[in-house]
Amino acid sequence: AQSVTQPDIHITVSEGASLELRCNYSYGATPYLFWYVQSPGQGLQLLLKYFSGDTLVQGIKGFEAEFKRSQSSFNLRKPSVHWSDAAEYFCAVGALGRDDKIIFGKGTRLHILP
Amino acid sequence: SQTIHQWPATLVQPVGSPLSLECTVEGTSNPNLYWYRQAAGRGLQLLFYSVGIGQISSEVPQNLSASRPQDRQFILSSKKLLLSDSGFYLCAWGGQAGNTIYFGEGSWLTVV
Repeated sequence: AQSVTQPDIHITVSEGASLELRCNYSYGATPYLFWYVQSPGQGLQLLLKYFSGDTLVQGIKGFEAEFKRSQSSFNLRKPSVHWSDAAEYFCAVGALGRDDKIIFGKGTRLHILP
Repeated sequence: SQTIHQWPATLVQPVGSPLSLECTVEGTSNPNLYWYRQAAGRGLQLLFYSVGIGQISSEVPQNLSASRPQDRQFILSSKKLLLSDSGFYLCAWGGQAGNTIYFGEGSWLTVV
């Protein structure tokens, strides 16, 4: 069965600084990978996804993520964060051709210092 | 375009009372449907998913059940709520084979 690990529960960065949120997955076949963002009390919004092809994927709000099969990682990056990026971020993995479950990590809460 | 509606948005229920959360999707047919629960510090826990009418897969044994009486309707239920059922419940829909899933706005359940 697939699983997702987000090792950082909280991350604090200064506004304008770069950001990297870590995500490691476990799955024996080709995964689908996602990053979602959740503002307090809201549903989840898709930031970006990787299905196949180019391992560097671009998303909304200036985010990007890189799929590294050798490291089983799908880290989310942004070169310069804005105060509005403060939220909780979830990495997720889906199964290709097996079943339609999508499993989420426990999330990383991002705090932005002014 | 596709939309997903989930209600009620907030709910306060006494222990032992029943529960019904409803989710409907518009603008698509034969979607995969999902119920997740989000508790503080525990991320999103997949509770149930359905790939078709009457087809429900349960991920976690618990006090809840799900039903899919129509193609685009997914209902989360309980006969007797426990305190531990409190949390933020999210319905989601997606296409086939691990396609992107899209979430509703969520339902806050507080069991008192």
